[in-house]
Amino acid sequence: ETGVTQTPRHLVMGMTNKKSLKCEQHLGHNAMYWYKQSAKKPLELMFVYSLEERVENNSVPSRFSPECPNSSHLFLHLHTLQPEDSALYLCASSQDTEETQYFGPGTRLLVL
Amino acid sequence: AQSVSQHNHHVILSEAASLELGCNYSYGGTVNLFWYVQYPGQHLQLLLKYFSGDPLVKGIKGFEAEFIKSKFSFNLRKPSVQWSDTAEYFCAVGRTGGFKTIFGAGTRLFVKA
Repeated sequence: ETGVTQTPRHLVMGMTNKKSLKCEQHLGHNAMYWYKQSAKKPLELMFVYSLEERVENNSVPSRFSPECPNSSHLFLHLHTLQPEDSALYLCASSQDTEETQYFGPGTRLLVL
Repeated sequence: AQSVSQHNHHVILSEAASLELGCNYSYGGTVNLFWYVQYPGQHLQLLLKYFSGDPLVKGIKGFEAEFIKSKFSFNLRKPSVQWSDTAEYFCAVGRTGGFKTIFGAGTRLFVKA
């Protein structure tokens, strides 16, 4: 248990659906992250929030929309996804953006 | 653009063999360096990190890494691997004062018992 939880753990959605991924950290950290992990590709940083403010948006398509309502919660809202968006989506948190990141178990997403 | 290169995608070793996994990065400024590990069925977790000071860093489970600034490298080593070291290892680099940590593609290590 790393103190970072993610729900759901698995998600299957059609291209016209709207869904949200949730991440919660119980570590009192100030920074939170979304990553995409695809087979045979490096871990791709998607978004970084520091003190609830988005500080990095790594050229992610607008069909992915992050939300950070407070320092403990991070959401990733999904709409009109493509099959190539199927991947493991990892959430992480850290004390600040330079420090060690603590990862959740991920949400495995399949887009049909 | 900042990038991280891990030289081997797959490594197979027998128990008690020595391990060295290569990591090179492309960024000329001051960096923070990490090795993370993902054991089968578990979360990504920190193995060791370097921010400043002694360039030889000791981590958990007998791992160590050496920062060689002139070579832009941060190679991971272990003198004698165990079957339980079977995992995927990721090198990661962040700029000091920056917001982004860039991960390498990972190296899958399989240790034969």
